[in-house]
Amino acid sequence: EDQVTQSPEALRLQEGESSSLNCSYTVSGLRGLFWYRQDPGKGPEFLFTLYSAGEEKEKERLKATLTKKESFLHITAPKPEDSATYLCAVQAWDNFNKFYFGSGTKLNVKP
Amino acid sequence: DTEVTQTPKHLVMGMTNKKSLKCEQHMGHRAMYWYKQKAKKPPELMFVYSYEKLSINESVPSRFSPECPNSSLLNLHLHALQPEDSALYLCASSQERAGARSNEKLFFGSGTQLSVL
Repeated sequence: EDQVTQSPEALRLQEGESSSLNCSYTVSGLRGLFWYRQDPGKGPEFLFTLYSAGEEKEKERLKATLTKKESFLHITAPKPEDSATYLCAVQAWDNFNKFYFGSGTKLNVKP
Repeated sequence: DTEVTQTPKHLVMGMTNKKSLKCEQHMGHRAMYWYKQKAKKPPELMFVYSYEKLSINESVPSRFSPECPNSSLLNLHLHALQPEDSALYLCASSQERAGARSNEKLFFGSGTQLSVL
């Protein structure tokens, strides 16, 4: 069965304190792994898509990496405005309309 | 235009009411989705329309009735809901190109926060 597990559930950082969020997945034929940011009461906002092991994507203070079993979202020198819930989702080749979401990591960055 | 627009933003309804949620996109996407999200939980897939045909129904109760009038519009008709149906309802769209991987990401609307009394 396709599964996505994110850790930690919650993370509190001081401004400038770098860290990483983890997304472990089990899927029969990965088509794509997606990272989203979600603010309270809003829809998820797309950050990155990763397709194959070894791939990396960067955007401002965020960098996403992918292995055959997990993905990491690295946050370098975070700012309070990076506070949000970060969701990981995977898409399989055999049913590309189904995106399996993890439970998310709630990030709180204190000034 | 890279937006998915959902209306209304907030909805309060009684258990005997009938209401509809609306979703619109003008990105030329051919797949549209309804997700339900409870507080502190991930989005749960409810329905998928592919080229205006219902392709996935995740065993959703019949009090939720989806409709896709055309390639840009998606509705969710609500009738006789229960208090446990209170949640954020998210609409999303994607390009839907079988065999191609690029641009398959979901674009989400801001959601409708539904409260059932």
